[in-house]
Formats: sequence, structure tokens, C-alpha cells
Amino acid sequence: QKEVEQNSGPLSVPEGAIASLNCTYSDQGSQSFFWYRQYSGKSPELIMFIYSNGDKEDGRFTAQLNKASQYVSLLIRDSQPSDSATYLCAAEEGGADGLTFGKGTHLIIQP
Amino acid sequence: EAGVTQFPSHSVIEKGQTVTLRCDPISGHDNLYWYRRVMGKEIKFLLHFVKESKQDESGMPNNRFLAERTGGTYSTLKVQPAELEDSGVYFCASSQDRVKQFFGPGTRLTVL
Repeated sequence: QKEVEQNSGPLSVPEGAIASLNCTYSDQGSQSFFWYRQYSGKSPELIMFIYSNGDKEDGRFTAQLNKASQYVSLLIRDSQPSDSATYLCAAEEGGADGLTFGKGTHLIIQP
Repeated sequence: EAGVTQFPSHSVIEKGQTVTLRCDPISGHDNLYWYRRVMGKEIKFLLHFVKESKQDESGMPNNRFLAERTGGTYSTLKVQPAELEDSGVYFCASSQDRVKQFFGPGTRLTVL
């Protein structure tokens, strides 16, 4: 059974620091990985996706993928209180239709 | 551009009743997905439409769930008869490229 694991948190980070969110996946066939941000009562919002080993940067966000370790991470630089949300990691097996989600990590940025 | 919309936002029904959830995808998105999040669990994939065709319904829990997408525009998900374990948040997502999926706000279903 495919699984995506995340620490549920809460993860508390001071404003301006780097927030590091981690995710592991069980299915070696997984090809693509996604980070969604979800504010309470709102829809999940796609913020990053990554296919290749290494780092992918977009503004204050950096996604990191290590397929050998089956590990995905999201770094948020210069954390802002508005970054406080639940961050969902998701994986997609090549050719598969649906995403496999983790339970999410609750991130709190302390002013 | 309007996002994915879902109706209703909340539904409270009794066990044994029928409920129909609706999803309107982003205009032009051929791919439409249904997901469900049961309390305390992760979001789980239910099924995927490409236009009006079901591509993958491997995540549908049982035959009490019926999804349709007549005309390839909006989709409905009917639960008949509803059971207590069907309670949760039902999300719809749409995609143009099958990579980036855009989620709707969800329908919170409570079965009493």
C-alpha cells in the first residue's frame, strides 16, 4: 500500500527563520511530488512540485527530492506569520491518476 | 479566472438518506478528480474523469458511491444510502495538464 508520511506537528518556527518540512514515501514507483498549503477551512493550494533529484527553488520556497532515500522536503525561507498553515505532501506514481497524500504538518510561525 | 467550486459547502443528513455533491471545475480543464478526507486521516483519491469518461475509479469505497460527469463539464458524486463512515470532507480538483491539480473548497458531509 502506498504511503506518504509526515510529522503532524505542530512545528513552531520564529518569524524570519527557515521552516523545514519533511516527508517520506513508500512507493519506489512514485515519480512526482507535490507540496500543498492548506489554511484552516480552505482548499489545498499547490505551492511546489518536483520531479528530479535535487533542489527546486521558487521565491522563498525550495523543494528538495532524494529518490534514493525516498525523501521530500520543503524549505520556507524568511518565514512569515502568513505562512502558518497545514502543509500537505503528495506523491504521484508515473501514469497513475490520483495523488497519495500525507496527513499534513501544521506549521506555526511565531511573530 | 474562477476556481473550482463545490456545492453545498456543508451537508448534514441522516443515515440511509441520499446526498448529491456537485463540483464545477475550472473552465477548460478536462481532468476532474474527487478526493475525500475522513477525520484524522489523509486525503484519499476516489476517482478521475477525463471529460465525461471515468479514467480511474479505483478509490471509490463501494457501490453506494456514484460519480457522473455528463457532458464533460460539472460532476456529481451521489452517496446512496449514506452510512456514518461516509462523513468527511469531499474535495474536487481539476487539471488541464494532469500535473497541477487545483482543489475546490470541499463539501463537509456529516451523516448522523
